[in-house]
Amino acid sequence: AQSVTQLDSHVSVSEGTPVLLRCNYSSSYSPSLFWYVQHPNKGLQLLLKYTSAATLVKGINGFEAEFKKSETSFHLTKPSAHMSDAAEYFCVVSIRPLRGSSNTGKLIFGQGTTLQVKP
Amino acid sequence: GAGVSQSPSNKVTEKGKDVELRCDPISGHTALYWYRQRLGQGLEFLIYFQGNSAPDKSGLPSDRFSAERTGESVSTLTIQRTQQEDSAVYLCASSNAALAGVVREQFFGPGTRLTVL
Repeated sequence: AQSVTQLDSHVSVSEGTPVLLRCNYSSSYSPSLFWYVQHPNKGLQLLLKYTSAATLVKGINGFEAEFKKSETSFHLTKPSAHMSDAAEYFCVVSIRPLRGSSNTGKLIFGQGTTLQVKP
Repeated sequence: GAGVSQSPSNKVTEKGKDVELRCDPISGHTALYWYRQRLGQGLEFLIYFQGNSAPDKSGLPSDRFSAERTGESVSTLTIQRTQQEDSAVYLCASSNAALAGVVREQFFGPGTRLTVL
């Protein structure tokens, strides 16, 4: 079974300081991993995704994440927080569909981390 | 181009009533997903459609929930005899076909906020 654990429900940083949002996953198969962001009253937006290419993945708005198989982690980082980064962040795992399998590629979401950015 | 659209954006209903939520996927996307997001929580998978294949209904929480999709177009999620615990945001997503060995990005709609009084 696949699951995702976001280790912090709430993270608060000052503008201009680094951001670290932690995520651990569990998967019996080679996972694909994503980070989505949800701004208030807006839809979910994909930040970045890992699909077995480079383990360090760069996304939009200066975010990046590193896949560490030995630690089953996929933490999201950004060197310098901006006020506009305040939002809800979701770590997501999906299995790659296998030929002939019933796997649908559905996404399994973590509980979310609320990022607060203080001026 | 147009993204995923959902209607209505907000729905308030009384306990016991039926509701129907609509999703228009991105044109050309053969895969369509429904998710539910309760307040302060992540998304829960509900159901998945892929072309003319049988849908994956494994996430539907009860037999009061059902969904339909005609071909590769609009989908409707129906909740019968609504209960207060059904209150949530219902999100729809679409993607290109779930090909073997490839995970496609899912594009999400803005959601329908359902409130059951």
